[in-house]
Amino acid sequence: DSGVTQTPKHLITATGQRVTLRCSPRSGDLSVYWYQQSLDQGLQFLIQYYNGEERAKGNILERFSAQQFPDLHSELNLSSLELGDSALYFCASSSTGTWDQPQHFGDGTRLSIL
Amino acid sequence: AQTVTQSQPEMSVQEAETVTLSCTYDTSESDYYLFWYKQPPSRQMILVIRQEAYKQQNATENRFSVNFQKAAKSFSLKISDSQLGDAAMYFCAYRSARGGGADGLTFGKGTHLIIQP
Repeated sequence: DSGVTQTPKHLITATGQRVTLRCSPRSGDLSVYWYQQSLDQGLQFLIQYYNGEERAKGNILERFSAQQFPDLHSELNLSSLELGDSALYFCASSSTGTWDQPQHFGDGTRLSIL
Repeated sequence: AQTVTQSQPEMSVQEAETVTLSCTYDTSESDYYLFWYKQPPSRQMILVIRQEAYKQQNATENRFSVNFQKAAKSFSLKISDSQLGDAAMYFCAYRSARGGGADGLTFGKGTHLIIQP
């Protein structure tokens, strides 16, 4: 158990819809990362937050947004969903967000777009 | 941009034997971290081992060790005494130290490791 909690575990929805994925980092970790794992793109970094502030952006689509709340949990919002957004979405956390800190992954949210 | 290449889509090894998974990366930076993550069928991402680029000594964690060749930009993972529980996808990952690490991990495509009983 990594200590990172992601909900829900599975999500099934239709094209054009909007969903919110939630992540609670390990106790004491200030930084949260979001990754997308799909069959064609592999594992891709989406975005990083540190102590409530956006710190880095990766290959995140404009239809996607995220935030980190004062209690340090994070949400990833996906809107105008397309079939290609079907993927496993991981949240990871680390203590300070610096490059030398390992990232601990949650179990992921499996998103299926019908 | 950095790239990570895992040239072996699939590897198979007999239980109790040793297997080496390959990883090469491309970067112009001198400070970075390299990681191996394991993803079993349960889909969790589990950190196996990590290596700081400025450390010459190869990292080891029990049956797992790496062969880090900085000049060759190579970072292979050796699994000794393979066990059935080692069966998984293994991902090599890179993280830059530039900007204090304000960046995520860059992953390779993964190697599917099969353990033959």
